Amino acid sequence: DAGVIQSPRHEVTEMGQEVTLRCKPISGHNSLFWYRQTMMRGLELLIYFNNNVPIDDSGMPEDRFSAKMPNASFSTLKIQPSEPRDSAVYFCASRSLDTQYFGPGTRLTVL
Amino acid sequence: AQSVTQLGSHVSVSEGALVLLRCNYSSSVPPYLFWYVQYPNQGLQLLLKYTSAATLVKGINGFEAEFKKSETSFHLTKPSAHMSDAAEYFCAVSEGRGGGNKLTFGTGTQLKVEL
Repeated sequence: DAGVIQSPRHEVTEMGQEVTLRCKPISGHNSLFWYRQTMMRGLELLIYFNNNVPIDDSGMPEDRFSAKMPNASFSTLKIQPSEPRDSAVYFCASRSLDTQYFGPGTRLTVL
Repeated sequence: AQSVTQLGSHVSVSEGALVLLRCNYSSSVPPYLFWYVQYPNQGLQLLLKYTSAATLVKGINGFEAEFKKSETSFHLTKPSAHMSDAAEYFCAVSEGRGGGNKLTFGTGTQLKVEL
């Protein structure tokens, strides 16, 4: 099993640009989670999906953030426009039974 | 609401010494509890989990944790530290399947292993 796949692994962009992060969950997992990790705030849940449907997006910081899951094997997290304070590591995780499995993360730097 | 408190943001032990990382939780329903490890520039890897079965849980790499309801604790231990154990460790709680398995993480404990 390839595990959760995220791309890109690193992204450097300028303030105001659109950023799209991608995630491929483990096959057969029906829940997907997006997290953000920063030194100041630790690990924060942004949004999660069950069976491709967004269940809880209360952690999405503001309207600049959006997430989609068009099918069971793909999800995106988009930031538009990006700001320097969005710089963080973004993790995707998929869940089987009681356990979440994390991807390697995307390190986003907004200049 | 659920929460996790990890006491000690940094713990340092000698190689071969006991590792003890502390975690206390708060949950309004019987919790599921997890320990994850994060190596530099990597994602989180599951070490072990408690999901209402045996209270003493064994995980990978020689780690184990004991669920103590009376103390609302789920401390992580390893009898003998190895250099390769140096990493950041996160305790997390979810309110079981009914809670949709939303995980709430602690702030993490950085483990340093010295020769």
